Amino acid sequence: DSGVTQTPKHLITATGQRVTLRCSPRSGDLSVYWYQQSLDQGLQFLIQYYNGEERAKGNILERFSAQQFPDLHSELNLSSLELGDSALYFCASSVSLGTGNQETQYFGPGTRLLVL
Amino acid sequence: GENVEQHPSTLSVQEGDSAVIKCTYSDSASNYFPWYKQELGKGPQLIIDIRSNVGEKKDQRIAVTLNKTAKHFSLHITETQPEDSAVYFCAARGRISSGSARQLTFGSGTQLTVLP
Repeated sequence: DSGVTQTPKHLITATGQRVTLRCSPRSGDLSVYWYQQSLDQGLQFLIQYYNGEERAKGNILERFSAQQFPDLHSELNLSSLELGDSALYFCASSVSLGTGNQETQYFGPGTRLLVL
Repeated sequence: GENVEQHPSTLSVQEGDSAVIKCTYSDSASNYFPWYKQELGKGPQLIIDIRSNVGEKKDQRIAVTLNKTAKHFSLHITETQPEDSAVYFCAARGRISSGSARQLTFGSGTQLTVLP
């Protein structure tokens, strides 16, 4: 158990809908990362938050957004869902910014999203 | 941006034999190289990592080597056991685009099967 929790475990929805995925980082970790894992794209970095502020963006679509709250949990919002958004979404956390010697990222169990 | 290639995509070994998985990266400024193990239905779990100022690191049956000149790094698992069966991912912390902060870019994964 990495200490990172994600809810829900599974989510089934329809095209055009909007969903929210939730992540709680390990106790003491300030950075939260979101990744998408699909069969054809592998693990892709989406976005990073550090202590409530957006830190870095990767291959995140404009239909997707995220935020990190004062209690450091994070939410990933996916809107106008398409069939191709079906994937596993992972949250990871690290102690700090992800530089130096504190860059180890610990992954949660993921949320499996199926868009029908 | 950073590009990580991983080989082989599948690997079958007999229990007790060694397994080697190789990765190459493109960003010469990449400085951190973790390896993750992902079991079915779970999130990636860090098994070992290496930083660019070190050429080799061992942890019991697992070792990682890094060749910065050639920009490749490898995972070695000795005395394999059936519980080592999983998907293994390499990653490199480099720039995903020009001027961006460094983030993890993952290889495409290797499905390791240890036959009893």
